[in-house]
Formats: sequence, C-alpha cells, structure tokens
Amino acid sequence: SYELTQPPSMSVSPGQTASITCSGHKLGDKDVCWYQQRAGQSPVLVIYQDAKRPSGIPERFSGSNFGDTATLTISGTQAMDEADYYCQAWDSSSALNVFGTGTKVTVL
Amino acid sequence: EVQLVQSGAEVKKPGESLKISCKASGYNFPFYWIGWVRHMPGKGLEWMGMIYPGDSDVRYSPSFRGQVTISADKSITTAFVQWSSLQASDTAMYYCARSIYYDTNGNPHAFDIWGQGTMVNVSS
Repeated sequence: SYELTQPPSMSVSPGQTASITCSGHKLGDKDVCWYQQRAGQSPVLVIYQDAKRPSGIPERFSGSNFGDTATLTISGTQAMDEADYYCQAWDSSSALNVFGTGTKVTVL
Repeated sequence: EVQLVQSGAEVKKPGESLKISCKASGYNFPFYWIGWVRHMPGKGLEWMGMIYPGDSDVRYSPSFRGQVTISADKSITTAFVQWSSLQASDTAMYYCARSIYYDTNGNPHAFDIWGQGTMVNVSS
C-alpha cells in the first residue's frame, strides 16, 4: 500500500513560518490535500489539489507538491494554528485515499 | 446548510454488534462520496472506506475489509458503518466526511464536510 510520511512534530514561534512536509513515492504525480485537526475537534480541509484553499481558509495557508514531497506552509503562524496536520493522497493499489502519519504543530 | 450529523456515543462489550450513522442534509446526497475515518486515542487518522450512495459502490481499506460493513440509505440520506462483533481494539472516535472534490484522475479527493464524530468505547 502507498505510504505518506510526515515529521511527528514541530514547533514554531508566533508570526513565523511553519513548513510541514509529506513524503511519498512520486507524490508529485498525485493530487494532495491537507487537513487541520485541533484538539477535540473534527478535521478541517485547509488545502486541496496541492495548492487550492477552500472558502473560509485564511490566505496564510498555502501548499505545493513536487517530486516526492508535498509541503503545507503556514505564514505568520498564529496561536489558533496549533493543531495536528495530515496530508492525504490517492492510493491506486487500494482505490482509496490514504492519510499521512500526521504532524503535531506547537505554537510557542 | 450542508452538514453531517452523526449518532451519539456508544459503550459496548466485546462481541456485541453495533451500527453507527451519519445523517446528511443540505445537499444532493446520492451524488457525493461519503468516507469513514477511524481515530484511535493518541494515534493518527485512518481511512476505513467510502461509499457512493448513488449506486452503493463501496471501497474498503485493506485493514478494514471484512471487519466492518459500510452502507447507505438514500431514502433517509444516511450512511452507516457496522460491526458484527466488536473488539476492545475498536475503541476509537469515528468520523464520516463528504467528498466534493475530485483529483485529476477522477478519484474522490478532498473531504470538505465532516461529522462531529461518534465515540465508540468497547470494554468488558
């Protein structure tokens, strides 16, 4: 099955930029989306089709995908951005989506 | 308003059966994939499978095939996941979610609306 690997955790200071990576074999050939999950809440879609933002998602969230790595970038990180982030892509072998391992972002 | 409302928390014993639901409203239910996600305490998100209510096409993650059954009833715009014999390891939060976006190959891609989650606790 297809595997997506993310760093387990990272910390960022308020106002700084957080870059979260997601690695998978030829991931750049797939469409990637990203979810934010705050503690005790349901996931929220923040990026789809590599770099598009759903309505209502702040402009500080952006995405890219090239080669074997997709990246979610949070510019001017705010305290409210503290959450777990998951990438997701399609696994053609199982005909289903798969999540990345998840990254816990701490804002301090 | 587009929303998915899930059934309430469950406390079950090992070996018991269970069916939880996800009631959709505010959109044309048959024409959007509904997925189910497991979130075990302290772990990451896992796709269990998904269903296209229009024709009941169901896909299962290899880890969940044979362990759960996903279904949908168009007449009541509700999706379900059921277990015939629960185990303690099924203790988790379960989410349903709707896919509105497709990737460049026409596969269900990003899930934009999520239910509030159903907590299932299996303990003897």
